[in-house]
Amino acid sequence: IAGITQAPTSQILAAGRRMTLRCTQDMRHNAMYWYRQDLGLGLRLIHYSNTAGTTGKGEVPDGYSVSRANTDDFPLTLASAVPSQTSVYFCASSSDAGNSNQPQHFGDGTRLSIL
Amino acid sequence: GQNIDQPTEMTATEGAIVQINCTYQTSGFNGLFWYQQHAGEAPTFLSYNVLDGLEEKGRFSSFLSRSKGYSYLLLKELQMKDSASYLCAVVDSNYQLIWGAGTKLIIKP
Repeated sequence: IAGITQAPTSQILAAGRRMTLRCTQDMRHNAMYWYRQDLGLGLRLIHYSNTAGTTGKGEVPDGYSVSRANTDDFPLTLASAVPSQTSVYFCASSSDAGNSNQPQHFGDGTRLSIL
Repeated sequence: GQNIDQPTEMTATEGAIVQINCTYQTSGFNGLFWYQQHAGEAPTFLSYNVLDGLEEKGRFSSFLSRSKGYSYLLLKELQMKDSASYLCAVVDSNYQLIWGAGTKLIIKP
C-alpha cells in the first residue's frame, strides 16, 4: 500500500541522548516535511525539503536536523534530546511544494517522550 | 504575524448539521485546506479552496471568503464516526502551510 511509513511508532528517551526518527515514502513525492504536534497548538513545521538534496528550516528548527539524500527518505535527528521535545512527530509529503493545491499526506506519527 | 483561529471544541448531535469556522490572517494566500484528524491518528485531507464560494463533497462542504479571511467546514447528517478534530490550514505566500490548532468535534447520540 502506497504511503508514508514512520518509525518508531513510539519511544521513551533519556535527556541528552541522540535519536533519529525515520520517514519513508513510496509515492515519489518531491516535497517532504516534519511537524511536531503539541496539545492546544497547531502543527508546527520543523524542517522541510522541496526536492532531494535540499532542505529548509521551518518555524521551530532548533535542536533538530534533517537530510534528504534521496526522494524516498527524510530522517529527523535530535542531536541531544531535551524534555521540551516531548511531542508527537508527523512526517508528511506532497507531490510538488510549488503547487498550492496539492495536499500533504501524513504518516502515522511517532510519539516521543523525553525524560 | 500569521494567525489561524478556530473554536477549540464543539458539540453536536448525531444526524444534525454543524459548521466549523476558521478565520485567518497570513502573509499572502494561496489556498486553504481542511483536514480531519481522529484521536491518535494522522491528519487526512478533506478539502481545498482557493476561490470564493462553496465546494461540496458528499456530506462535507467547505466555504471560502478571501476578502473576509474566513472559511467554514459544514458537516451534514452527522455520524458518530465524525467525532474528530478538524484542522484548518492556509497556504501562505511562501507556499508553506500555516495550521490552526484544530477544532475538536464531539458527536452525541
